[in-house]
Amino acid sequence: EAGVVQSPRYKIIEKKQPVAFWCNPISGHNTLYWYLQNLGQGPELLIRYENEEAVDDSQLPKDRFSAERLKGVDSTLKIQPAELGDSAVYLCASSLGFDRGKEETQYFGPGTRLLVL
Amino acid sequence: DQQVKQNSPSLSVQEGRISILNCDYTNSMFDYFLWYKKYPAEGPTFLISISSIKDKNEDGRFTVFLNKSAKHLSLHIVPSQPGDSAVYFCAARKNQAGTALIFGKGTTLSVSS
Repeated sequence: EAGVVQSPRYKIIEKKQPVAFWCNPISGHNTLYWYLQNLGQGPELLIRYENEEAVDDSQLPKDRFSAERLKGVDSTLKIQPAELGDSAVYLCASSLGFDRGKEETQYFGPGTRLLVL
Repeated sequence: DQQVKQNSPSLSVQEGRISILNCDYTNSMFDYFLWYKKYPAEGPTFLISISSIKDKNEDGRFTVFLNKSAKHLSLHIVPSQPGDSAVYFCAARKNQAGTALIFGKGTTLSVSS
């Protein structure tokens, strides 16, 4: 079974340029997450989708970040314009979906490593 | 304020010995805990989890212990192998809809042969 797919794996851009990351979750997983991981830190949630609905975007810097999951499958995260401080690893994760009766496990993709110069 | 803390940034162990990685949490609403393993240039890989209704969960060489009164959990790896060398993240979440995983900063485990 294929895991979570992310592209590109690496991206180098100059500040003020736009950048986009793509994620394809595990087949059948309704819940999709975008996390940000800074160097020496654990992942931190940016946005969470249940199917095509963003159910938690409270940590997403909406002035420059946007995300979409139009058909409830793959998702795109965009930054425009990028700043130096956006250099980090952007991780996508997916899960079957929250069910109080189940112990939900999130599965992560390899991440996109962004460097803003 | 960090809700999940891994106070040891690194741990070195000899092959065949036990590795013990520790994690503390502050939010009493957390009731599901996970350990992830991360190799360089890869995403975190799920390792083992434990629900708050249990105090121990075992999977092969990996065992997680949960002490709710102390808000502490630990991951034991026995015996440790060089391939276990990686960064280990402790994560926690509340058992309610719309919650994300809260991660610690990670502990880098080095297993020498």
